[in-house]
Amino acid sequence: ETGVTQSPTHLIKTRGQQVTLRCSSQSGHNTVSWYQQALGQGPQFIFQYYREEENGRGNFPPRFSGLQFPNYSSELNVNALELDDSALYLCASSRPGQGSYEQYFGPGTRLTVT
Amino acid sequence: AQTVTQSQPEMSVQEAETVTLSCTYDTSENNYYLFWYKQPPSRQMILVIRQEAYKQQNATENRFSVNFQKAAKSFSLKISDSQLGDTAMYFCAFIALTGTASKLTFGTGTRLQVTL
Repeated sequence: ETGVTQSPTHLIKTRGQQVTLRCSSQSGHNTVSWYQQALGQGPQFIFQYYREEENGRGNFPPRFSGLQFPNYSSELNVNALELDDSALYLCASSRPGQGSYEQYFGPGTRLTVT
Repeated sequence: AQTVTQSQPEMSVQEAETVTLSCTYDTSENNYYLFWYKQPPSRQMILVIRQEAYKQQNATENRFSVNFQKAAKSFSLKISDSQLGDTAMYFCAFIALTGTASKLTFGTGTRLQVTL
């Protein structure tokens, strides 16, 4: 069984730029959630995708957007990067439709905005 | 809205000893799950244990067990026979089973250091 993978591992961007982060879900999981984890904090929910549709969103502005593909992999896009966007971005997959609510996390992408 | 509170920013325990990490939560939901996740310095978040709110029996996974007090909205994690590999950030998390998105709400974490 393949776990959740994310790419890239690290990324450095300049304020105002755009970034795309990628996530492959665990085998058999059809739901992907994205979280932002600032240094020293717990992860904060950004949004969730199920069947290629956004299924719920946290308190993040519209410049945070995403996609889910037919193979359940997902992308997180952030436009007009701000310094405060520097964080660890975590992707998690799950299969809540089958009564399993555990979310399994990838290793994360460390984004630094300068 | 749900909130999760972890009041112990840091804890230390000697190898082979037992340690308990505290977590309280606030919710108006009746159907939910609670989790403890471990995040080692390598940063990958690992699920340690889960508890369904409808179950009265406390969950146990090898050296890890919980004390779930639903009325008090308390969910503590006990680690027995602590090992050096248990050194990590531990996050308590809540998920409601209602609504469209099954999102996790995390606490701020407890940094656990296991020493020789």
